[in-house]
Amino acid sequence: AQTVTQSQPEMSVQEAETVTLSCTYDTSESDYYLFWYKQPPSRQMILVIRQEAYKQQNATENRFSVNFQKAAKSFSLKISDSQLGDAAMYFCALSGSARQLTFGSGTQLTVLP
Amino acid sequence: SAVISQKPSRDICQRGTSLTIQCQVDSQVTMMFWYRQQPGQSLTLIATANQGSEATYESGFVIDKFPISRPNLTFSTLTVSNMSPEDSSIYLCSVEIDYGYTFGSGTRLTVV
Repeated sequence: AQTVTQSQPEMSVQEAETVTLSCTYDTSESDYYLFWYKQPPSRQMILVIRQEAYKQQNATENRFSVNFQKAAKSFSLKISDSQLGDAAMYFCALSGSARQLTFGSGTQLTVLP
Repeated sequence: SAVISQKPSRDICQRGTSLTIQCQVDSQVTMMFWYRQQPGQSLTLIATANQGSEATYESGFVIDKFPISRPNLTFSTLTVSNMSPEDSSIYLCSVEIDYGYTFGSGTRLTVV
């Protein structure tokens, strides 16, 4: 079984500042993918970033980057230059050979003007 | 990536009735998933629906309560049967292509 843990139910950040959301996971597989999804009030699930476990290089997408520590099974998301539109629920997720996504409990991010 | 049309977007239903949710995908996909998101909670996998085979249900979900159809590679339905207020949730479908996942816009179900 695979599990994903997000220990921060809520986070806040000042506009233009940087915030880091934490995620740890557990899996017995060696090949897997990790994701961060954003869910605004519209409830649409939006992919923020994807990391392939066999790649040592941390994924980046514009203002979003991850710190992937495979040995520690840690996968944190850093949002730089936070914008009001970044306010949403953020979910960390894991997918292995069964192709099913296992989600963490989520972190509600508030961006303060 | 695939585009999913999910219907209805929301509904208010009487307890004891059933609701069928549809997901139409603009391309052929093998793997389709159905999730439930209870108020303020994360997404929980209900079942995996592959074309040509019976859906595989996760622990705590049964076919009699959540029957799923997958008649072809572009379409699937989830029925929530004999509804109770505890079934009030958002239901989402998702498809997977090469570890890229696309989600429907969700169905917000309220049971009264």
